[in-house]
Amino acid sequence: DIQMTQSPSSLSASVGDRVTITCRASQSISNYLNWYQQKSGTAPKLLIFAASSLHSGVPSRFSGRGSGTDFTLTISSLQPEDFATYYCQQSYINPRTFGHGTKVEIK
Amino acid sequence: QVQLQQLGPGLVVKPSETLSLTCTVSGGSISGYYWSWIRQPAGKGLEWIGRIYVSETGNLDPSLTNYAPSLRSRVTLSVDMSKNQFSLRLDSVNAADSAVYFCAREQQRRLTPYYFDNWGQGTQLTVSS
Repeated sequence: DIQMTQSPSSLSASVGDRVTITCRASQSISNYLNWYQQKSGTAPKLLIFAASSLHSGVPSRFSGRGSGTDFTLTISSLQPEDFATYYCQQSYINPRTFGHGTKVEIK
Repeated sequence: QVQLQQLGPGLVVKPSETLSLTCTVSGGSISGYYWSWIRQPAGKGLEWIGRIYVSETGNLDPSLTNYAPSLRSRVTLSVDMSKNQFSLRLDSVNAADSAVYFCAREQQRRLTPYYFDNWGQGTQLTVSS
């Protein structure tokens, strides 16, 4: 299985901050990397697919970069509704695997 | 707008019994997509269980049904085309299977990598005697 390692596991930030979350794959996955946002008690929502493509309806303050094994999700200016847990996920091979999540909390 | 509906917020199953969950697809066709199940134990991350593919013509190809190796021996996925539903069966459940179970659609756009773009609301499974 491909292991997905996210860092940090949690972070505290203020509204307006620029936030970057890192995801590393245990082997090269090209651009087969997706990012999801999950708020407590709800299903995850797709933010970014194919490493850098913004899903329909997702605000442009979210962006993704990377290829191979190293990827980042950046929120350019954190908004109150962005406090949530973020997961990366590879779709390069089965089984699909997710990172352990990064919880973004209010400072 | 495609919606995935899972019946009931919670379910209690006794150890060693079988879990059966169904996801109903509304607002779109079940054909031409992969349909997945993903679970999340309380306070933990997401674990992919498996996926099943329904062709554009409504056929199922067993070679396009995939399972997580850790669950393969206990999991069966199926589809009911007449009801636009897909289902998960998990045999011999134990406490470690307690989790929120999500159904999800996996698709790709113009040969981009696959991604989960639609999710059900989740069903909480508690395994308890």
